[in-house]
This record gives sequence, structure tokens and C-alpha cells, in this order.
Amino acid sequence: DAKTTQPTSMDCAEGRAANLPCNHSTISGNEYVYWYRQIHSQGPQYIIHGLKNNETNEMASLIITEDRKSSTLILPHATLRDTAVYYCIVRVNTNAGKSTFGDGTTLTVKP
Amino acid sequence: NAGVTQTPKFQVLKTGQSMTLQCAQDMNHEYMSWYRQDPGMGLRLIHYSVGAGITDQGEVPNGYNVSRSTTEDFPLRLLSAAPSQTSVYFCASSYTLLENTEAFFGQGTRLTVV
Repeated sequence: DAKTTQPTSMDCAEGRAANLPCNHSTISGNEYVYWYRQIHSQGPQYIIHGLKNNETNEMASLIITEDRKSSTLILPHATLRDTAVYYCIVRVNTNAGKSTFGDGTTLTVKP
Repeated sequence: NAGVTQTPKFQVLKTGQSMTLQCAQDMNHEYMSWYRQDPGMGLRLIHYSVGAGITDQGEVPNGYNVSRSTTEDFPLRLLSAAPSQTSVYFCASSYTLLENTEAFFGQGTRLTVV
């Protein structure tokens, strides 16, 4: 699985968009970008994933650059409950059981 | 569906004791895996299984054994607990062949070895 680089921490004001970047410059053509989050030492929770195109679901949007070397997770209207550690993972699609979690980005949403 | 269920939620062991952490899933997932998470760090893969009867080592397998006799269950055994094994343990499961192979995680077992 490709290595990812994320900022250690970020702050965001409640109600504003939170934009979390991830660099994955060594990504291979068959590797997907997955995002998970972990709230206060609970089990990680899946957010979204994508291969080439931008993706959106009820939780977030994922923007992947054209060269696929970086991506941004967007939480459109952050709430206090979005305070968590966010993990960007790059892996082939059939390897979910071997996901490599880095240290992630600690997002703090402030009132 | 209960999802991924881990038991116990908390455990304190003495050095040298053995125990088994239980993990069960009711989603008929092929993949199951165990991670440990030390304070302030990301998850590290201990062992994983691609199906009943098949297991393999992850990044940090020493001191742990696993077996997969059924699709539903994937227990993790600590053979002789050491203080370095104090951690939070997460079990995860997922499909392998479908496009959306997100991993589902249990709520964790918090283990302290004294």
C-alpha cells in the first residue's frame, strides 16, 4: 500500500467547511483513496473512498487531483461531533483487511 | 445486524497470564483482522484472515496467535502477557470481492498488563 502524509492537526470553526489534505505521491493505478475517522478512541468509522473521480456522500466529499498524488476530504458544515482523528489510507480495493493506518490528522472543531 | 462485536471491553492481566480476545461478525465477511493502537498512535496490524482456515501475520504479530475456524469468529490469543502489550485492540471485518470493501471495526478491547 502507498504511503500517505497528513498534517498532524487542524482546527475548524463550527459550521464552516473543514478541508483535510492528504498527500499520496506514490499511489499506484489500482489503489483507491479511503478515509476513516476515529472519535475519542472508538473503533474507526468509514467515511468515503474514491479512485479517480470526486465523490460525495451524506458525510463528506472527496476531491482527488488529476494526477492522483493528493486528495482532500471536505466536511461541508463541521459540527463539534466531527472532532476526531481522520485517517487517509491508500490501498488496493480487495485489501481492506490489511489497511495501513498512519498517525492521521486530529481535527478539532471549535464553537 | 450487530456488526463487529468484541469482548471483553476492558481487561487487566498480570504479566505472564494468557487470555483470548473475542471477535465476532454477523455480516458474512471474508476478511477479518486485528489491530492494536497504542496511546497517541495509529493502528498497527497484528494478524489477519482472508477466510475460514486461513490466517497470516501483519506488522506486529509477535506474542499473539490467531485461528479462524468459522467465518464469523476470529479470536486473538495472548500467550504470555507482557506490559508492552498494554494497548487498545480493534477487530475489523470486510468483504473482499465487492467494489466497496470498507472495513467495519468493533468498539475495541482495552487491555492493561501489570
